[in-house]
Amino acid sequence: KQEVTQIPAALSVPEGENLVLNCSFTDSAIYNLQWFRQDPGKGLTSLLLIQSSQREQTSGRLNASLDKSSGRSTLYIAASQPGDSATYLCASGSSNTGKLIFGQGTTLQVKP
Amino acid sequence: DAGVIQSPRHEVTEMGQEVTLRCKPISGHNSLFWYRQTMMRGLELLIYFNNNVPIDDSGMPEDRFSAKMPNASFSTLKIQPSEPRDSAVYFCASSGLGLAGGSEQFFGPGTRLTVL
Repeated sequence: KQEVTQIPAALSVPEGENLVLNCSFTDSAIYNLQWFRQDPGKGLTSLLLIQSSQREQTSGRLNASLDKSSGRSTLYIAASQPGDSATYLCASGSSNTGKLIFGQGTTLQVKP
Repeated sequence: DAGVIQSPRHEVTEMGQEVTLRCKPISGHNSLFWYRQTMMRGLELLIYFNNNVPIDDSGMPEDRFSAKMPNASFSTLKIQPSEPRDSAVYFCASSGLGLAGGSEQFFGPGTRLTVL
């Protein structure tokens, strides 16, 4: 059974700090990895998609990396803001089954 | 584009009743997914369709759950009869360019189901 693990489960940082969220996956045939943001009571918003052939993707203050050999991905958030407070989920996409397997998420709180 | 549209946004029903959740994917997308999210189990894929055909329904918990996609712009997830343990947020997502493994998924706002 493929699994995705996110550490830490919760994180609280002061505004302006740079931070890294971690994601590890067991699927050796990963096709892509997707990072999402979920605000309380809301749906998921796609942040970044990294194909297996890529090593990183950037969007504004966000940078996601992918290391297939170690089964890890990181989401780097630069100069964090209170508006970044949300739950961040990573999901591995499999070419074999077409499924996305989600981690349990990291809940981030950025304090002003 | 309006994004993925789900209805209703909230549903409260009594145990034993039939529940039907609806989803309209993003126009042009050919893959559609139904997920369930609970505190205990997180996000779980229930079923997904490619070109209106069910590809994998191994996540459907039991026979009380069924899903259909009669055309490219509409899908339903039905629970009959509903049970309190079915209470969760149900998300629909869609993606383009073939199987899910290759392309970005976009999620709807979800339907919060409460079964009393």
